[in-house]
Amino acid sequence: GIQVEQSPPDLILQEGANSTLRCNFSDSVNNLQWFHQNPWGQLINLFYIPSGTKQNGRLSATTVATERYSLLYISSSQTTDSGVYFCAVNSNSGYALNFGKGTSLLVTP
Amino acid sequence: DAGVTQSPTHLIKTRGQQVTLRCSPKSGHDTVSWYQQALGQGPQFIFQYYEEEERQRGNFPDRFSGHQFPNYSSELNVNALLLGDSALYLCASSASGVRETQYFGPGTRLLVL
Repeated sequence: GIQVEQSPPDLILQEGANSTLRCNFSDSVNNLQWFHQNPWGQLINLFYIPSGTKQNGRLSATTVATERYSLLYISSSQTTDSGVYFCAVNSNSGYALNFGKGTSLLVTP
Repeated sequence: DAGVTQSPTHLIKTRGQQVTLRCSPKSGHDTVSWYQQALGQGPQFIFQYYEEEERQRGNFPDRFSGHQFPNYSSELNVNALLLGDSALYLCASSASGVRETQYFGPGTRLLVL
């Protein structure tokens, strides 16, 4: 099946710093989503971005489908940004979302 | 507009028992997927239901079964529980197209003792 690799696995930032999270995938995809999982386990949709660039406030994402990677940018980080960020894709042959192992982000005051 | 809802929120069972988890999709959605998330891991796909049929299944044993009702809500059943079934079970709903965004519920935390 399709492989999804996320980096870095862990990240510690001071409030106000910027960060870039990366997602590499092994095959063509027709769906790519970024999620933030809060401490209670809720997966919150950030972006649906199989290709191109999107922005939502302090967050933005870019997917280069031909090179099989996606980037999530967090600017001016806040303590509420802490949690685990997941990239998930589904291949052209299926409906399942395949998740990476996530990037665990801690933003300190 | 209610999002995806799941019940119960928490559940404790013993080995060998059976459990049923429930999910109601977001309004306007007709497709429900179930995922298992073990501690420290990303969610793993169990199966997806569309038009009351299992449309795709992940690498899970037959102890895991499901059902979708005419109102699009869904159940996940797990028989003969093992300690390793302890996890967060997540339900996601979407519209029927393959390129549709999946929206997740808050999950059910299952502990098997």
